[in-house]
Amino acid sequence: AAGVIQSPRHLIKEKRETATLKCYPIPRHDTVYWYQQGPGQDPQFLISFYEKMQSDKGSIPDRFSAQQFSDYHSELNMSSLELGDSALYFCASSFGLAGSNTGELFFGEGSRLTVL
Amino acid sequence: TQLLEQSPQFLSIQEGENLTVYCNSSSVFSSLQWYRQEPGEGPVLLVTVVTGGEVKKLKRLTFQFGDARKDSSLHITAAQPGDTGLYLCAGRGSGAGSYQLTFGKGTKLSVIP
Repeated sequence: AAGVIQSPRHLIKEKRETATLKCYPIPRHDTVYWYQQGPGQDPQFLISFYEKMQSDKGSIPDRFSAQQFSDYHSELNMSSLELGDSALYFCASSFGLAGSNTGELFFGEGSRLTVL
Repeated sequence: TQLLEQSPQFLSIQEGENLTVYCNSSSVFSSLQWYRQEPGEGPVLLVTVVTGGEVKKLKRLTFQFGDARKDSSLHITAAQPGDTGLYLCAGRGSGAGSYQLTFGKGTKLSVIP
């Protein structure tokens, strides 16, 4: 069965550079979520989109932005990168919002960002 | 902000032993999930519990949702080295617009052969 696809799997950037992460949800899933997981930390919610509209916002820095496109894939854009942005970035997808499902998320394998 | 407290944070046991991991909150959740995460990989969903008092079994794993839907437990019987990993509980809020999952900090389990 198709899973959530994230790219790139690994990314190395310098401070103050820009990075873009991509997420392709499971087919027919219309909701995507972005999480950031630092070393030894639990996943922290950044932002989510439902039907191409932002549905919820967590601890996403102002330097980051995201959007969901017409084909439901999503991109997380990170600018003015800082050392502290080094982390695993997970995308997850689901069908529908909380009111229409039991809350199960299916995660991709993550994109590891290293900022030097 | 809804917080989920997981305990213990670390657990190292011998193969064949039983163990229980707890997930507690002062908030009510509409649903709660348990995930297992391998290093460098995304969390993989194990189970979802929705109804207060619900018990679900997945082979040697037993999951329970508290009657008040504020807490949950994961019990593993006869642990095996393959059970080693990070176990995360995550709750979906019960309020309007609660679309995000709140994760606990996880329990890192090591099962020694």
